[in-house]
Amino acid sequence: RKEVEQDPGPFNVPEGATVAFNCTYSNSASQSFFWYRQDCRKEPKLLMSVYSSGNEDGRFTAQLNRASQYISLLIRDSKLSDSATYPCPWGSGGYQKVTFGTGTKLQVIP
Amino acid sequence: NAGVTQTPKFQVLKTGQSMTLQCAQDMNHNSMYWYRQDPGMGLRLIYYSASEGTTDKGEVPNGYNVSRLNKREFSLRLESAAPSQTSVYFCASSSYNSPLHFGNGTRLTVT
Repeated sequence: RKEVEQDPGPFNVPEGATVAFNCTYSNSASQSFFWYRQDCRKEPKLLMSVYSSGNEDGRFTAQLNRASQYISLLIRDSKLSDSATYPCPWGSGGYQKVTFGTGTKLQVIP
Repeated sequence: NAGVTQTPKFQVLKTGQSMTLQCAQDMNHNSMYWYRQDPGMGLRLIYYSASEGTTDKGEVPNGYNVSRLNKREFSLRLESAAPSQTSVYFCASSSYNSPLHFGNGTRLTVT
């Protein structure tokens, strides 16, 4: 079983909608949590870190539920430019061995 | 700022040929990683190096070898390429408990 599971989607949402998706972990060893964004055929880029207290960056809000072993990403007021795949990583202690979920594909429709 | 540099960007090989993918980072990161990504799929870890002098297998190591040449460089070698190794290969690096930084990728086709 993979350390991190994601719904691959696609999530098709209209512009302006709010959408949320999760990453669920089967192994609680990871001490650091992040969301990435990956555009088609490009390298993944860090979207935001995820802290225990939750954090917000503009239209994006990330939450960590350590007890239930998942992180979430909420996107408000979706833009066409948000269309991408959002993978999340799981890291062993010290974040040395790092594996990724499948990524959740988001399509924002005009 | 160069970050993580991968070479080559594109490569076409015939079945049975060998090649080495090069990766270098200039961020003084301890850990380095090689992933492959097939169309419509997520990133799969091939090998990683938690620190200079160490390498470990990831999820899909068969058919690959790696060398952590020094702190900056981590190479991936295909000894006898197979069509199943057609993929996009990403190198990444990170510091302790910090996010990964990725290179631009190498698009490899094996015919």
